[in-house]
Amino acid sequence: QVQLVESGGGLVKPGGSLRLSCAASGFTFSDYYMSWIRQAPGKGLEWVSYISSSGSTIYYADSVKGRFTISRDNAKNSLYLQMNSLRAEDTAVYYCARESMTTVTTLDYWGQGTLVTVSS
Amino acid sequence: QSALTQPASVSGSPGQSITISCTGTSSDVGGYNYVSWYQQHPGKAPKLMIYEVSNRPSGVPDRFSGSKSGNTASLTISGLQAEDEADYYCSSYTSSSTTGVFGTGTKVTVL
Repeated sequence: QVQLVESGGGLVKPGGSLRLSCAASGFTFSDYYMSWIRQAPGKGLEWVSYISSSGSTIYYADSVKGRFTISRDNAKNSLYLQMNSLRAEDTAVYYCARESMTTVTTLDYWGQGTLVTVSS
Repeated sequence: QSALTQPASVSGSPGQSITISCTGTSSDVGGYNYVSWYQQHPGKAPKLMIYEVSNRPSGVPDRFSGSKSGNTASLTISGLQAEDEADYYCSSYTSSSTTGVFGTGTKVTVL
């Protein structure tokens, strides 16, 4: 069965860095676009970044552009999000999600999320 | 990119039907049949319930149905059950971005 397991969250000071990882299993990871979605405490969902199956196409939300870097290692079935210059407003649960291969902008499987807290 | 507009809360009694609206523009909901709905229980990850306006993934009960009229999509839950109490988010493809856009979210309460 499809599994996505995030790790790497934690408490970090403003201006600090964190690297999130997402380990995928149960499907051919290299065939799928992958995304990072975040949810601030008590708030809605925000599409943070996505990466194409080969890694050649990448998108960032304006709120993280220039600070976050998405990447993937298809040999390791893993997705990453390098987060630099973190701000208080980046505090959120970060989910990795798989984009459906058969339709557009549809996230058919999600991980359980990892909490990132930016605070001094 | 502005979020799609959903009512903050909707409630109903067990067995009743409720409908959640999701209003966008002709650049997103109204222009494409790529509306999805997600269910999120407290402390859990979102789960895909509807895709392409009205299609249900395998395993989603047929009590859940989707539709669209103009710039507004709707999720209807028929025969409301206690386990349906959750937050629901719509999303849509948008010509304004390379990703989709989410709705503001609706809390469904089963009375």
